[in-house]
Amino acid sequence: AQSVSQHNHHVILSEAASLELGCNYSYGGTVNLFWYVQYPGQHLQLLLKYFSGDPLVKGIKGFEAEFIKSKFSFNLRKPSVQWSDTAEYFCAVPSRGGGADGLTFGKGTHLIIQP
Amino acid sequence: NAGVTQTPKFQVLKTGQSMTLQCAQDMNHNSMYWYRQDPGMGLRLIYYSASEGTTDKGEVPNGYNVSRLNKREFSLRLESAAPSQTSVYFCASSGDRRNSPLHFGNGTRLTVT
Repeated sequence: AQSVSQHNHHVILSEAASLELGCNYSYGGTVNLFWYVQYPGQHLQLLLKYFSGDPLVKGIKGFEAEFIKSKFSFNLRKPSVQWSDTAEYFCAVPSRGGGADGLTFGKGTHLIIQP
Repeated sequence: NAGVTQTPKFQVLKTGQSMTLQCAQDMNHNSMYWYRQDPGMGLRLIYYSASEGTTDKGEVPNGYNVSRLNKREFSLRLESAAPSQTSVYFCASSGDRRNSPLHFGNGTRLTVT
């Protein structure tokens, strides 16, 4: 079964600091990777995704992630965070090789940005 | 553009009561899903439906049943609620293309006392 692990459960940063959230995956098939964001009180929204091609993927709101196959990693980055980036972030992979059975999510990283 | 709509937004049940969570999507997606979200556990798949008329168990199906009423609607039923089912429930749908991203509803916060 596919799995994904997120290293940091809680991260606290000051505004303008740089961000990197770790994600490692275990995956047997073609690699497809996702980052979702959940703002307080809201539903999950897609931040970015990697299917193929350029391993550096750019998403919304200045976020990017780099797929490093040799490290089985897909870390999320942002050069300068804002208070509005306070949210929970989830890394995800297809549950069983990309069929219709959805995504398997990591346990999430709760990010707090202090003004 | 409504996307994925869930009702109700909040619900409090007593142990042993039953209820149905409703979900509808207007994106003509074949695949629909029910997840539960618990602190420190991320999202866990309860049931999914790859197409109208089919349903399959996910990671945590015990205590739940589902119905794919038509292409738009996918309901989740708790026959006899237990405190362990206190959670936030999210419905999602996805397109037919392989590995299409999920589109989520706004969630239902359920408390079982």
